[in-house]
Amino acid sequence: EAGVAQSPRYKIIEKRQSVAFWCNPISGHATLYWYQQILGQGPKLLIQFQNNGVVDDSQLPKDRFSAERLKGVDSTLKIQPAKLEDSAVYLCASSRGQKETQYFGPGTRLLVL
Amino acid sequence: QQQVKQSPQSLIVQKGGISIINCAYENTAFDYFPWYQQFPGKGPALLIAIRPDVSEKKEGRFTISFNKSAKQFSLHIMDSQPGDSATYFCAANAGNMLTFGGGTRLMVKP
Repeated sequence: EAGVAQSPRYKIIEKRQSVAFWCNPISGHATLYWYQQILGQGPKLLIQFQNNGVVDDSQLPKDRFSAERLKGVDSTLKIQPAKLEDSAVYLCASSRGQKETQYFGPGTRLLVL
Repeated sequence: QQQVKQSPQSLIVQKGGISIINCAYENTAFDYFPWYQQFPGKGPALLIAIRPDVSEKKEGRFTISFNKSAKQFSLHIMDSQPGDSATYFCAANAGNMLTFGGGTRLMVKP
């Protein structure tokens, strides 16, 4: 079974630029999560999708972050405009359903200069 | 605010020793407590998990001890090996949201 795929693996941008990350969850997994992991900290949930609907986006900075999961499969996370403090690893995870084991992708490491 | 406090931040153990990582929480709505292992450049991977109706769960060399009244839980790694060197995160679930601790960087010396 293929794991969660993410791209790109690394991205360097300047502040105020925009950036987008892509996630392909494990086949058949209805629930998809985006986490932000700042260096030296645990992952923090940004947004959770159940199929193509948002379950929880309470910790998503909606003034600059947006996410979508069209057709209930792949998802994209966008930051516009980026700030220095957005430098982090952005992890995508998926699970068969809510409250089931989450499987994480390798993450996208973002550096904002 | 939902928080999970994890300690120590870093841990050095000799090969064959016992590694112990502790976590504490406040929110009594948490109903599922997984531990994740993360190697550099990789995403976290589920190691072992426990529900609050159980005081201990063992899987191979890994054991979770859970103290519901104290709102604390811990991970014990028996016979620690150099291959166990990684960052370990405790987490707690309430509703649909998983809250992670700050992580413990474990180094097992040969």
